[in-house]
Amino acid sequence: GQNIDQPTEMTATEGAIVQINCTYQTSGFNGLFWYQQHAGEAPTFLSYNVLDGLEEKGRFSSFLSRSKGYSYLLLKELQMKDSASYLCAVNGRGGGATNKLIFGTGTLLAVQP
Amino acid sequence: EADIYQTPRYLVIGTGKKITLECSQTMGHDKMYWYQQDPGMELHLIHYSYGVNSTEKGDLSSESTVSRIRTEHFPLTLESARPSHTSQYLCASSELGQGSFFGPGTRLTVL
Repeated sequence: GQNIDQPTEMTATEGAIVQINCTYQTSGFNGLFWYQQHAGEAPTFLSYNVLDGLEEKGRFSSFLSRSKGYSYLLLKELQMKDSASYLCAVNGRGGGATNKLIFGTGTLLAVQP
Repeated sequence: EADIYQTPRYLVIGTGKKITLECSQTMGHDKMYWYQQDPGMELHLIHYSYGVNSTEKGDLSSESTVSRIRTEHFPLTLESARPSHTSQYLCASSELGQGSFFGPGTRLTVL
């Protein structure tokens, strides 16, 4: 079966660093995506990993280990506006042409002053 | 900035009505998707398309139907709306190897 696991909720302090983990079990793998979703809004794309290692984009970094079925999203210098749900999604079927994403339930991050 | 649009943004209708949710994108993407998401819950893929005249059902069973007559347009239709269809419907498009761009969503309430 297909399964993506993330913590349900996390709390962190403004200015700090937080790591959101994601583990997955899917039939096939063609990339892992992280999205940010504020309440009542559509998800917005944050990062994409298809090879092992760390991808850095400003305050956000994403890491992937395909052998472990594991990824994390690292948020640095947290700001209040970073309070949102963070969705891990895997393109887990067939060849690269499918781009069908399987979403986790999301991690609700609360940034406190 | 992603150019993907959905209308209406909010819709309240009575049971039994036929409705069409519109989705358009101006990025020339071949792949388009419809997701359903209840508040605080995960996204579920209900329909997708790899290009014109291509439509497939997603992982979550849905009573809706879709069509893809033009690359930029991917409407979703409910022939007879029911209260169980109350949800948020998100349209997305992508190209291979890129993240999906989501539209703003349509929040549907069926009374």
